[in-house]
Amino acid sequence: QVQLVQSGAEVTKPGSSVKVSCKASGGTFSNSAISWVRQAPGQGLEWVGGIIPIFGTPNYAQKFQGRVTITADKSTSTAYMELSSLRSEDTAVYYCARAQHSVLTGYSDGMDVWGQGTTVTVSS
Amino acid sequence: AIRITQSPSSLSASTGDRVTITCRASQSISSYLAWYQQKPGKAPKLLIYAASTLQSGVPSRFSGSGSGTDFTLTINYLQSEDFATYYCQQYDSYPLSFGGGTKVEIK
Repeated sequence: QVQLVQSGAEVTKPGSSVKVSCKASGGTFSNSAISWVRQAPGQGLEWVGGIIPIFGTPNYAQKFQGRVTITADKSTSTAYMELSSLRSEDTAVYYCARAQHSVLTGYSDGMDVWGQGTTVTVSS
Repeated sequence: AIRITQSPSSLSASTGDRVTITCRASQSISSYLAWYQQKPGKAPKLLIYAASTLQSGVPSRFSGSGSGTDFTLTINYLQSEDFATYYCQQYDSYPLSFGGGTKVEIK
């Protein structure tokens, strides 16, 4: 059973960048779509962006376009999310999550495996 | 972008009650809708996908219905472990999007 293991908590300053990793343990990224979802304190879930590693082309929420870069390394089954120009409003728990992707239909399913979350704190 | 409107934002219920949560999409998403349960400090857990398919290991008191733009999550015989926040999410098209969440609290 695949598990997603994320990198540790980050404390960063406004204007800087942060890069969070998400490694598949006990499996690979084959037939997967990886999403990054964040949750600010006391708030709901917000989709940041995602990537289907076998294709490599990311998709981003409009809100983060120009500030986020999502990549995936198939050889190590690791996905990355880099967010730049950080501000205090980016303080949140960032989750990676996997949905199984069908190359046949072009659709993915619900996100059935989640990482443990990475807390990113932006503070001067 | 597809907007998902979830209601209510919170509700109070008692153990044994039947609870219904709805999501409405701003355009048709066929059956590409999932439901998640989240407890404080934990990652969300997938309950239902394809609008009505129960994820493996999820109790049968959870059920989902709907297609197109209107969807419902029903919890029959609410148990103590069901008090949590529930989210719907569409995966018909990018950008993916979540509903605002429904917090189910003890009455």
